[in-house]
Amino acid sequence: AQKITQTQPGMFVQEKEAVTLDCTYDTSDQSYGLFWYKQPSSGEMIFLIYQGSYDEQNATEGRYSLNFQKARKSANLVISASQLGDSAMYFCAMREPLRSDMRFGAGTRLTVKP
Amino acid sequence: NAGVTQTPKFQVLKTGQSMTLQCAQDMNHNSMYWYRQDPGMGLRLIYYSASEGTTDKGEVPNGYNVSRLNKREFSLRLESAAPSQTSVYFCASSEQDSQTYEQYFGPGTRLTVT
Repeated sequence: AQKITQTQPGMFVQEKEAVTLDCTYDTSDQSYGLFWYKQPSSGEMIFLIYQGSYDEQNATEGRYSLNFQKARKSANLVISASQLGDSAMYFCAMREPLRSDMRFGAGTRLTVKP
Repeated sequence: NAGVTQTPKFQVLKTGQSMTLQCAQDMNHNSMYWYRQDPGMGLRLIYYSASEGTTDKGEVPNGYNVSRLNKREFSLRLESAAPSQTSVYFCASSEQDSQTYEQYFGPGTRLTVT
């Protein structure tokens, strides 16, 4: 079964607007970590933000915030004030205890329009 | 700090040839990982090393071997390359092998097996 689901293969947003990238996950563990990565066209994977399952507040890192809804098992990434440089693939990932791998979703390609 | 470095960046092999992908990190991280990225499938874990001196199989280990040479270096070897191993390979490192720690990725190696 798919552990991480990103239902938006592609998204468009106007420069300076906010955009939400969806991510739902499946786990029976109580303790887990949720991560978002950005992959620009150059190919590297850039860590953006982390949310622990026990964290009561939504994580924020500059223009990135994570809308964490534990009961719904969703961890959406919100990018505020989009910039042209935000155009990239975005991957949601989860890490469960006793597993060493990050489980990645298939990704969402974000395009920021000028 | 260079972070996580990988060599080579690109490689073309013929079926049956062997090669070693090199990875090094300068962040004094304990844990290191090898992933492959195929279109539409996100990243999948090949092998990992939770700490110096240990290695374990991930989700897709067949056809690969690894060596944790020291705390900094973790190499991936293809003994007899097959076209199915055409992929982008990422090395990653993490401070600890735990769900509360993010993984930092190298720039990737694009491998083509003909």
